[in-house]
Amino acid sequence: DIQMTQSPSAMSASVGDRVTITCRASQDISNYVAWFQQNPGKVPKRLIYVSSTLQSGVPSRFSGSGSGTEFTLTISGLQPEDFATYYCLQHNSYPLTFGGGTRLEMK
Amino acid sequence: EVQLVESGGGLVQPGGSLRLSCAASGYTISNYWMTWVRQAPGKGLEWVATINQDGSETYYVGSVRGRFTISRDNSKNSQYLQMNSLRAEDTALYYCGSGRSVGYWGQGTQVTVSS
Repeated sequence: DIQMTQSPSAMSASVGDRVTITCRASQDISNYVAWFQQNPGKVPKRLIYVSSTLQSGVPSRFSGSGSGTEFTLTISGLQPEDFATYYCLQHNSYPLTFGGGTRLEMK
Repeated sequence: EVQLVESGGGLVQPGGSLRLSCAASGYTISNYWMTWVRQAPGKGLEWVATINQDGSETYYVGSVRGRFTISRDNSKNSQYLQMNSLRAEDTALYYCGSGRSVGYWGQGTQVTVSS
């Protein structure tokens, strides 16, 4: 099974900051990574798919990059609504696997 | 507007069974892989199962293989998850999703396995 190691598991930042979250895959998964945002008590929402394609309707301050085994989600200019938990998902091979999550808190 | 609506969750004793349903509207699921994802209380997301467009391919996480069965009825624009031999560790909010990378999510249905 492919392991997705997500880091950090938690972080604090301020409105306007630029933050980066990383997922490392235990083997090459090409560009088959998606990123999700989940607010407390809410349904997850896909932000990015195939590593860098922005989901329709998602603000352009979100961006994704990477291929092979290392992937990043960057939020440029944090907004108050961005404080949430973020997950990566590899959909290259079964079983599909999520990263452990990154809880982004307000400093 | 795309909507996925899950139903069928509830409280069940260990060893029992439940069948979850997911009804889609606003698009035709026949063109898409469909997925189930679960989230235990206070925990992260866990992929459970995925089915291809015509139901000929199904994939499961190891912990449910042999106990859960994913299926679909494109004529009803719906997918299902039959869950047998349920265990306490299956307690979670179960989400229906569209596609392998889950572009659309339902609101979830709660499954609680407890005596």
